[in-house]
Amino acid sequence: QSVLTQPPSASGTPGQRVTISCSGGNSNIGSNTVNWYQQLPGTAPRLLIYSNNQRPSGVPDRFSGSKSGTSASLAISGLLSEDESDYYCATWDASLSGYVFGPGTRVTVL
Amino acid sequence: QVQLVQSGAEVRKPGSSVKVSCKASGGTFSNYAFSWVRQAPGQGLEWMGRLIPMLGQPNYAQRFQGRVTITADKFTNTVYMDLSSLRSEDTAVYYCARGPRGTYGGNYYMDVWGNGTTVTVSS
Repeated sequence: QSVLTQPPSASGTPGQRVTISCSGGNSNIGSNTVNWYQQLPGTAPRLLIYSNNQRPSGVPDRFSGSKSGTSASLAISGLLSEDESDYYCATWDASLSGYVFGPGTRVTVL
Repeated sequence: QVQLVQSGAEVRKPGSSVKVSCKASGGTFSNYAFSWVRQAPGQGLEWMGRLIPMLGQPNYAQRFQGRVTITADKFTNTVYMDLSSLRSEDTAVYYCARGPRGTYGGNYYMDVWGNGTTVTVSS
């Protein structure tokens, strides 16, 4: 049972905008930066967004992140079939003294 | 370009232990934070613990305390994860991952990932 909450699934048609939420508490999202990881089937996770809204080099600007209070969100605009993947939010939790992942959201491109 | 190369798949019996290695190449080693993350079949990602070789003191997720040991060999740039008292629920892919230099606290994240090591626990 994760201390972070994500919807299990999200979907959209090509070209649409999809948003994934990540909810936590004061000891995690409320006091630390949020990161997002993408995991394509059968592959290792890939860092997608770090420090709430920063994109590593090579990540398209269709991906954006934001944070407000104890919640964060990942937006995918101009959805492509290749975006069909699992997405995980993650952050440090001061109470647990550890890094925590959300349960993951599977994005389906219809 | 740094790469993390992990050891090969392992099969273990319940009650035994397994040690997985992760060799870092292409960059410095000691002042980065290396984590281990696992993923059981069909499940999400689970952080197990991390070690900053320069500091030497690991910290572990509460649910793995007493069963996991993360160590590093600074001469071979290799990080190890040792998991003991294995049970069937430990069957998973185990990933090592590295965070950028200096991101040790609440701004921690992992930007380089290993290829994963499948550990199967079965009698």
